[in-house]
Amino acid sequence: EVQLVESGGGLVQPGGSLRLSCAASGFTFSGYDMYWVRQAPGEGLEWVSGIRASGDPIYTGSVKGRFTISRENAKMFLHLQMNSLRAGDTAVYYCARGGADGDYFEFWGRGTLVTVSS
Amino acid sequence: EIVLTQSPGTLSLSPGERATLSCRASQTISSSYLAWYQQKPGQAPRLLIYGASSRATGIPDRFSGSGSGTAFTLTISRLEPEDFAVYYCQQYGSSWTFGQGTKVEIK
Repeated sequence: EVQLVESGGGLVQPGGSLRLSCAASGFTFSGYDMYWVRQAPGEGLEWVSGIRASGDPIYTGSVKGRFTISRENAKMFLHLQMNSLRAGDTAVYYCARGGADGDYFEFWGRGTLVTVSS
Repeated sequence: EIVLTQSPGTLSLSPGERATLSCRASQTISSSYLAWYQQKPGQAPRLLIYGASSRATGIPDRFSGSGSGTAFTLTISRLEPEDFAVYYCQQYGSSWTFGQGTKVEIK
């Protein structure tokens, strides 16, 4: 059974940093693209970042230069280092696994809440 | 960036009725790279449909997807009580973007 469990969320001041992690199990982690998707309170879904199985990272424009995605294939972890956080980054952050045959998001974790506030 | 517009914003229906949700794209979505997700309050989204019309594993056949180019539809043939939720379309042909969602509520 595929499982994705996020951790690392919390309350941080504007300008601060936070590192999110996603523990994966139940599949061959190294063979799949992985993603972060966020949802601001009461709002819709927004793709944030992705990392190919090859290790190539991709970012949405609003987080480029501030967020860094990485993966530890041996330990089956996905990470998101978030720096220079802003109030607009407040959201539940979901980890998601790519599809077996496409770039859709086949499995999702339950999410971790990041609150950026003074 | 491809913008996805979903309609209606809210759909009020009774159990057993048919639900038809629309998703329109600002540009042609290549190779029908369009997915649909269901999200219930306090839960993560769940993949329903990918490739515009392929059901994900374990998704009941009352859910079906259709369309191509810039116009796509999610149909729920007969609403079950557990189907009342928010539904999002997503394109993954050019980066990734989501529609704003359609809420299916009990009438």
